[in-house]
Amino acid sequence: NAGVTQTPKFRVLKTGQSMTLLCAQDMNHEYMYWYRQDPGMGLRLIHYSVGEGTTAKGEVPDGYNVSRLKKQNFLLGLESAAPSQTSVYFCASIPGFGRVNTGELFFGEGSRLTVL
Amino acid sequence: AQKITQTQPGMFVQEKEAVTLDCTYDTSDPSYGLFWYKQPSSGEMIFLIYQGSYDQQNATEGRYSLNFQKARKSANLVISASQLGDSAMYFCAMREVSMNTGFQKLVFGTGTRLLVSP
Repeated sequence: NAGVTQTPKFRVLKTGQSMTLLCAQDMNHEYMYWYRQDPGMGLRLIHYSVGEGTTAKGEVPDGYNVSRLKKQNFLLGLESAAPSQTSVYFCASIPGFGRVNTGELFFGEGSRLTVL
Repeated sequence: AQKITQTQPGMFVQEKEAVTLDCTYDTSDPSYGLFWYKQPSSGEMIFLIYQGSYDQQNATEGRYSLNFQKARKSANLVISASQLGDSAMYFCAMREVSMNTGFQKLVFGTGTRLLVSP
């Protein structure tokens, strides 16, 4: 029972390099989210997706792109990494929201990214 | 405007005592949900408790209870009989609906670090 899996778990980049974080969930969830966590700032939403092929901007989308070509995968891309993007990134998913659904997010373990 | 406010950056409590972690929220949506998550030093996010805006009673889950005061827009987490393993960061979150898209997401507060001492 894998749940939500993020790869890679750790990565060090140089300024200007590009990379992609992969989030995979095996629970057939409709909604998927990418958050970043920084000290003293809690979790801030970067982008999210409400279904295959559909994405939306969150609170801090600049410098990131996303794609959801398959329902189970949500990719977060950094085209030209900057030191300000040094953070811990969390992916989360949920089946959907409804009157009887608590809306609890199922989180991945996090990916620690350092940009030098 | 801050949607979720946690005013306590850090809290200390002795083992076996109760502790209250504060959370206030701001929304004009009549239908919303409030959540608490725990993040231990290992980094994973652990769901603790949920309260719906239409729920008549305060939510409880074992040693966790949510003191929901709708008129005051507060959703404080109460941990009874604290244990050493409760030392962690605690986040309050609210389900929010985008006015433009209708999509739903969770917005988080900045967190409270709880330290339980023997």
